[in-house]
Amino acid sequence: NAGVTQTPKFQVLKTGQSMTLQCAQDMNHEYMSWYRQDPGMGLRLIHYSVGAGITDQGEVPNGYNVSRSTTEDFPLRLLSAAPSQTSVYFCASSRDWGLAKNIQYFGAGTRLSVL
Amino acid sequence: SQQGEEDPQALSIQEGENATMNCSYKTSINNLQWYRQNSGRGLVHLILIRSNEREKHSGRLRVTLDTSKKSSSLLITASRAADTASYFCAPFDRTYKYIFGTGTRLKVLA
Repeated sequence: NAGVTQTPKFQVLKTGQSMTLQCAQDMNHEYMSWYRQDPGMGLRLIHYSVGAGITDQGEVPNGYNVSRSTTEDFPLRLLSAAPSQTSVYFCASSRDWGLAKNIQYFGAGTRLSVL
Repeated sequence: SQQGEEDPQALSIQEGENATMNCSYKTSINNLQWYRQNSGRGLVHLILIRSNEREKHSGRLRVTLDTSKKSSSLLITASRAADTASYFCAPFDRTYKYIFGTGTRLKVLA
């Protein structure tokens, strides 16, 4: 049982490049989300999904796309990388979004630098 | 803007002392959760309190919730050096989103 797995752990991009950050969970969780963490800013929600085929925007969605074709996977796509997207990205999942016991499990993070 | 706002931003105490962190939020919630983040790592869930609960305990942790004031507090008793980390509150709002605050950086000195 691996939990939430994020790949890659580190990535360096040039401005304008595109890439996909991968997130997979093996706990059959319905709810998945992506956050970015910048120094002194805490975690900010980018996109989230309450189940396969359903996604919605969080606080800072611009410049990012997501899709949820399966319960297990929730990839985050950077369309045209910008230096402002330099950050640490965390993926998280929880069993349910409608109950009171919706504890989130986090991946180890992806450290992204955009030059 | 952040939904959860922790206070203080940083806290330094001696081992064995108690540490108290506060959280304020803005909208109605289903529950509120506290998480810990060790430097450079992912967040780990500590405790969840439902909107109809006022206090909850888990080991050395005590959480209170005041929905009328839209605030919560986390108390860590008898702190240890291993408690050194950042602590975040995460109100889970009625639109099914977690909105984390900026966190409290706790340093426990041995």
